[in-house]
Amino acid sequence: GAVVSQHPSRVICKSGTSVKIECRSLDFQATTMFWYRQFPKKSLMLMATSNEGSKATYEQGVEKDKFLINHASLTLSTLTVTSAHPEDSSFYICSARDKASGLWENIQYFGAGTRLSVL
Amino acid sequence: AQSVAQPEDQVNVAEGNPLTVKCTYSVSGNPYLFWYVQYPNRGLQFLLKYITGDNLVKGSYGFEAEFNKSQTSFHLKKPSALVSDSALYFCAVRDGGGSYIPTFGRGTSLIVHP
Repeated sequence: GAVVSQHPSRVICKSGTSVKIECRSLDFQATTMFWYRQFPKKSLMLMATSNEGSKATYEQGVEKDKFLINHASLTLSTLTVTSAHPEDSSFYICSARDKASGLWENIQYFGAGTRLSVL
Repeated sequence: AQSVAQPEDQVNVAEGNPLTVKCTYSVSGNPYLFWYVQYPNRGLQFLLKYITGDNLVKGSYGFEAEFNKSQTSFHLKKPSALVSDSALYFCAVRDGGGSYIPTFGRGTSLIVHP
């Protein structure tokens, strides 16, 4: 099956530093990748949608200068949390949609998530 | 517009008993419906989907879901629960006539007791 690799799985950083999270589709090409933030009460919040070769589309309320998304190839998208602060601590999950599937298929393949802790 | 609701924050069931995790949705066009499961500190895994066809959809790990158009529901079911089924379950919906981005429910914790 389709595999999405997300790295790192856990990162601890000091306040004010930047953190980059990578999301790779290992055995398929992903035209679209999604970045989610999961809060302690479980709910998933879609942060942004990125399409290969174009700028990401951010959801309302998500700071695009704070959460930089790059989708440089069909197999790699990165999320950089710039000048991280303790309130950015969360579980970040990426997902990818297979280019080979039709829009109606729309199954998302998820990475294992990244636990970010900002001290 | 599309929306999905998972009315139960948590479902408790004894091992061996049938389980149901509820999901209702709202779309203006035809619904495309999905169930995902999340184990602790992991991403979500696809379980099953309904696009068209039979109302009863069978998925991974013995799970199935029944699409009910009149009740706008897509409840997840399993005839006999296992302790290993304990996880967080998400329902998602996409409006076939609208955005290709699905909306996820807030999740339901399933706890299966030995």
